Amino acid sequence: QSALTQPASVSGSPGQSITISCTETTSDVGSYNLVSWYQHHPGKAPKLIIFEVNKRPSGVSSRFSGYKSGDTASLTISGLQAEDEADYYCCSFAVSVVFGGGTKLTVL
Amino acid sequence: QVQLQESGPGLVKPSQTLSLTCTVSGGSISSGRYYWNWIRQHPGKGLEWIGYIDNSGRTYYNPSLKSRITVSVDTSVNQFSLKLSSVTAADTAVYYCATLSRRSFAVDSWGQGTLVTVSS
Repeated sequence: QSALTQPASVSGSPGQSITISCTETTSDVGSYNLVSWYQHHPGKAPKLIIFEVNKRPSGVSSRFSGYKSGDTASLTISGLQAEDEADYYCCSFAVSVVFGGGTKLTVL
Repeated sequence: QVQLQESGPGLVKPSQTLSLTCTVSGGSISSGRYYWNWIRQHPGKGLEWIGYIDNSGRTYYNPSLKSRITVSVDTSVNQFSLKLSSVTAADTAVYYCATLSRRSFAVDSWGQGTLVTVSS
């Protein structure tokens, strides 16, 4: 089973852009294509914001974008807003499901 | 997207079996559109995938929990369930039921989550 490594925290000021990385460590590199990202506000259910590396579900702001290069997927949030402050998780599907450790985003 | 609601005891004694049920509305659990998942979050920690079942009854479990987990489906009442045996305080967590789309392979619907505390 793969492991996904994220930074514990990132921060940015309103209006700025931030990027959260998600690096896969596994012997099965080729399976790391079904990557999704979730926004989780404490006390609420997580929300899907990116699927299949770079696709946004209907209703998700275009300020959220995804990218992948090699073993590392990335989530970029542009035009930071106060309500973006949350925990963000990457996730990979390859028969089983693996979540990254999560990244706490602080909007300064 | 379907709607999901977890139910079950909020307090379980150590060594006992944790049992939760997820009621599905807005869609049939037999449809084949989803994998039916359980995911948990320990207090102050990240998300941990527990396992899922598909409409054929095939199950896939987190290897670290596999020996203690059973996920099952009851199509007659549109529900799926989790049983986690021999619980300890380390199993205290918010438990979510969720759907993983078989088209996008992303978790696109979540229940609100239910806190289960393991304590005597």
